[in-house]
Amino acid sequence: DSGVTQTPKHLITATGQRVTLRCSPRSGDLSVYWYQQSLDQGLQFLIQYYNGEERAKGNILERFSAQQFPDLHSELNLSSLELGDSALYFCASSVGQDPYEQYFGPGTRLTVT
Amino acid sequence: AQRVTQPEKLLSVFKGAPVELKCNYSYSGSPELFWYVQYSRQRLQLLLRHISRESIKGFTADLNKGETSFHLKKPFAQEEDSAMYYCALNNYGQNFVFGPGTRLSVLP
Repeated sequence: DSGVTQTPKHLITATGQRVTLRCSPRSGDLSVYWYQQSLDQGLQFLIQYYNGEERAKGNILERFSAQQFPDLHSELNLSSLELGDSALYFCASSVGQDPYEQYFGPGTRLTVT
Repeated sequence: AQRVTQPEKLLSVFKGAPVELKCNYSYSGSPELFWYVQYSRQRLQLLLRHISRESIKGFTADLNKGETSFHLKKPFAQEEDSAMYYCALNNYGQNFVFGPGTRLSVLP
């Protein structure tokens, strides 16, 4: 167990809705990363937060947003959901700013119907 | 743009045979490369990184800057090596790029 937790495990929702995914990093880790894994796109980096601040941004849609709270947990908000947003969303954490050694969570499977 | 390619979606080998998982990258600087592995029903985890030049579970990977490759090799595959393998590149503070992955199946 890497110590990174994600809730919920599964989420089923309808198009146009908004959902929030939650991630708690390993104890002591200051960075949180979000990834989207879909069948056709593979594992795509979305965004990184380090100690509450946005550190790096990848292929994150404008409909998506994230934040990291003072207790270092992070939330990924997905709005105006489309069928194509159905995917596994992974969170990872690391001690420092660089994703040198990331520890991954189990993922949240989002299904948009 | 930074990119990581893994040409094989699926690679099947017999137990005891050598295995090589291919990874090529495009990056305009000194790359930092990794291999991650995801066993069935387990989380994605770091297997090895090029800067440490280590061997983990019998796997090694050498960075070849001339060929822009970072192939993962093991001389004798084991059934427990069956998993999904991802090559990844660290774009230093900008993003972390994963390849599409190769599913390794080691047959008995």
